[in-house]
Amino acid sequence: GEDVEQSLFLSVREGDSSVINCTYTDSSSTYLYWYKQEPGAGLQLLTYIFSNMDMKQDQRLTVLLNKKDKHLSLRIADTQTGDSAIYFCAERGTGGYNKLIFGAGTRLAVHP
Amino acid sequence: DTAVSQTPKYLVTQMGNDKSIKCEQNLGHDTMYWYKQDSKKFLKIMFSYNNKELIINETVPNRFSPKSPDKAHLNLHINSLELGDSAVYFCASSLSGTGFLEQFFGPGTRLTVL
Repeated sequence: GEDVEQSLFLSVREGDSSVINCTYTDSSSTYLYWYKQEPGAGLQLLTYIFSNMDMKQDQRLTVLLNKKDKHLSLRIADTQTGDSAIYFCAERGTGGYNKLIFGAGTRLAVHP
Repeated sequence: DTAVSQTPKYLVTQMGNDKSIKCEQNLGHDTMYWYKQDSKKFLKIMFSYNNKELIINETVPNRFSPKSPDKAHLNLHINSLELGDSAVYFCASSLSGTGFLEQFFGPGTRLTVL
């Protein structure tokens, strides 16, 4: 079946790097996503990676994909207080439709 | 300007009532979705419509009935509300097809059932 798991909390000091991890079960997933949810707001797509890639970098964000272990990570360099939010990992489910299976979300707290 | 909008933003009601949440998108997308986010922030898809046709229907009580009058609108009607229906409901939209298809989310409707 389709399942996505993430650790629930991460606390980092401002200026440090944050690494949020995710594991998924569906090896046929074509796309994997990272969404950000700020308090009281909807989800905003941060970045995504296609399943034939190992790494994708976008400014302060680096996504690493290990297909063998079905492991996805999001690294945020120079973490700022504005990065405090919930980060959701998601895989695109199989079945021909754009169905997203979300993890439980990792709450990132950035402290001075 | 708003891409995906939902009304109302907050909804407080008594058990047993019937209520509706509306969603509209002005992005020209042909596919719309409803997600439920529970108190632990777990987010799960409920329904999806493509060109007014139901294409995803997860295990949701039949008290929940989505309706899509046109491609730009997807409403969610809930009958006989229960305490467990309290959650934040998110609408989203996207294009359909193959390749990368970003889903754009609305701001959410917080439903509280008393």
